[in-house]
Amino acid sequence: GQSLEQPSEVTAVEGAIVQINCTYQTSGFYGLSWYQQHDGGAPTFLSYNALDGLEETGRFSSFLSRSDSYGYLLLQELQMKDSASYFCAVRENQAGTALIFGKGTTLSVSS
Amino acid sequence: EAQVTQNPRYLITVTGKKLTVTCSQNMNHEYMSWYRQDPGLGLRQIYYSMNVEVTDKGDVPEGYKVSRKEKRNFPLILESPSPNQTSLYFCASSPRDRVYEQYFGPGTRLTVT
Repeated sequence: GQSLEQPSEVTAVEGAIVQINCTYQTSGFYGLSWYQQHDGGAPTFLSYNALDGLEETGRFSSFLSRSDSYGYLLLQELQMKDSASYFCAVRENQAGTALIFGKGTTLSVSS
Repeated sequence: EAQVTQNPRYLITVTGKKLTVTCSQNMNHEYMSWYRQDPGLGLRQIYYSMNVEVTDKGDVPEGYKVSRKEKRNFPLILESPSPNQTSLYFCASSPRDRVYEQYFGPGTRLTVT
């Protein structure tokens, strides 16, 4: 079977750093994406890792270890507007016909 | 403005009454997909299309139909809706070689009574 595991909830304060982990078990693996979704709104793409290592995009970074079937999203200098749900998603085949999404992590940032 | 649009945004209907949710994108993307989102279950793929006249099932296709007659449009059809299809539906699109980076529509909240 296929599964993506993420913590269901994470809380943090403004200015802090938070890491959202994602472990996966899928029939194929070609890369890991991260999406952000504010309450009931459209998910928006944040980052993608096809190879091991760290990808940095402003305050957000994403890391992948293919040998450990593990990745994480790192959010730095947290702001209230970062309160949202974050989903990891596995690109399961080379043709890229589907993304398998995790159930999401709800991040709450307080002042 | 580059965007994916869905209509309607909200719909309340009754069991068995056929409905169509439209999806359109103006980015000339080859790939389009439909997802449903339910509390605690994340996003689950219903159907996807890699190009005009090419569609395939996702993880939860039962009770749904799609068509791709034009590149920009990808309607979702519920021939006989049931209460278990009450959900938040998202359409998404991307270039064929960047399916990992999908652009989502604003969502359609469907209630079937």
